[in-house]
Amino acid sequence: GENVEQHPSTLSVQEGDSAVIKCTYSDSASNYFPWYKQELGKRPQLIIDIRSNVGEKKDQRIAVTLNKTAKHFSLHITETQPEDSAVYFCAASSDGNNRLAFGKGNQVVVIP
Amino acid sequence: DVKVTQSSRYLVKRTGEKVFLECVQDMDHENMFWYRQDPGLGLRLIYFSYDVKMKEKGDIPEGYSVSREKKERFSLILESASTNQTSMYLCASSSKSGYTFGSGTRLTVV
Repeated sequence: GENVEQHPSTLSVQEGDSAVIKCTYSDSASNYFPWYKQELGKRPQLIIDIRSNVGEKKDQRIAVTLNKTAKHFSLHITETQPEDSAVYFCAASSDGNNRLAFGKGNQVVVIP
Repeated sequence: DVKVTQSSRYLVKRTGEKVFLECVQDMDHENMFWYRQDPGLGLRLIYFSYDVKMKEKGDIPEGYSVSREKKERFSLILESASTNQTSMYLCASSSKSGYTFGSGTRLTVV
């Protein structure tokens, strides 16, 4: 089955700086890559996703890039704010949202 | 908004008890999932279901079973709770728009 790994496990950034989280996946058939954000004590929520037919997608301060050849995808957060502090999960699937394989999560801490 | 409701936010059970965790979604999603979340281990899939009365094992099904008698309800059953099943349990349903998670049930087995 699919194996998704995230690096680094914890990331601290100064407010206003950028944060980048990278994920690698193992199954070359995977074609859908969402990112979920989980704030402390809350449920994970979808923040952005990308499909394998595009290399980059942006939504305001967040963007995701995909490198199919290297089998990795990254989440970019620009101009970080304290409310960006959360655990971020990447996931991959070859079957849309029918079954996602999640990474172990990255703790992002934005220092005011 | 899709709502996924888990019946209990916190539960404390004794070792050996049979435990039922209930999950209900209100948007007619066919896919439903049960995950457990532990520090450093992320979200691990226990069981999932694509339709009524259908169930599939996830990555860590041992010690658990599930029931899906109605489309909107997906129940996780711990046949004989053990202390290593102390965890946060998250239910989710999915459509083409993504997964919607419930608020979670924090289960403590003593």
